[in-house]
Amino acid sequence: GQQLNQSPQSMFIQEGEDVSMNCTSSSIFNTWLWYKQDPGEGPVLLIALYKAGELTSNGRLTAQFGITRKDSFLNISASIPSDVGIYFCAGSPYSGGGADGLTFGKGTHLIIQP
Amino acid sequence: NAGVTQTPKFQVLKTGQSMTLQCAQDMNHEYMSWYRQDPGMGLRLIHYSVGAGITDQGEVPNGYNVSRSTTEDFPLRLLSAAPSQTSVYFCASSYRPGGSQQYFGPGTRLTVT
Repeated sequence: GQQLNQSPQSMFIQEGEDVSMNCTSSSIFNTWLWYKQDPGEGPVLLIALYKAGELTSNGRLTAQFGITRKDSFLNISASIPSDVGIYFCAGSPYSGGGADGLTFGKGTHLIIQP
Repeated sequence: NAGVTQTPKFQVLKTGQSMTLQCAQDMNHEYMSWYRQDPGMGLRLIHYSVGAGITDQGEVPNGYNVSRSTTEDFPLRLLSAAPSQTSVYFCASSYRPGGSQQYFGPGTRLTVT
């Protein structure tokens, strides 16, 4: 199956710092999705990207669909304690993000020190 | 709306036992799917359904059965539980096979001893 490499695996940062994480794929994706998972909960969609080069924001979160269609980036500005959690990227070879073709990264565990 | 609900929240089984994980959604979504989440592995698709009466296999279907008799319900059956099936199971639904508005349930944590 398709491989998604998500990095870093974990991040320890100070409150107020900016955060960057990324995902790279061994093949082309036509949809990139970013999810956040809180402890004991299911993942919640943060941002969806459908076009190469697309840059989309959701509050303090900004995600980009890489030009090569093999990578995506998520940035969080001015982190706050509630940003703690696991962030997952997911990619699909289908336009619109066909869930039957979704491949998930292994997650980035974000830990914020006050 | 309750969204996507899953029961039970926790379950312990002995090897060889069978059980059904329940999933229901009240959003009239056509598309439903089951994932398992293991440490360091992300989420992996087990089975999915694009509508009542239609199911298909995902990445890791072995050891699991599904059926979709109604739009609302999508149960996952373990016929003979194995320790390798110890995991957290998530059910998800969306309006279409579009992933973008896929809503996840709270998960079922299953331990097989």
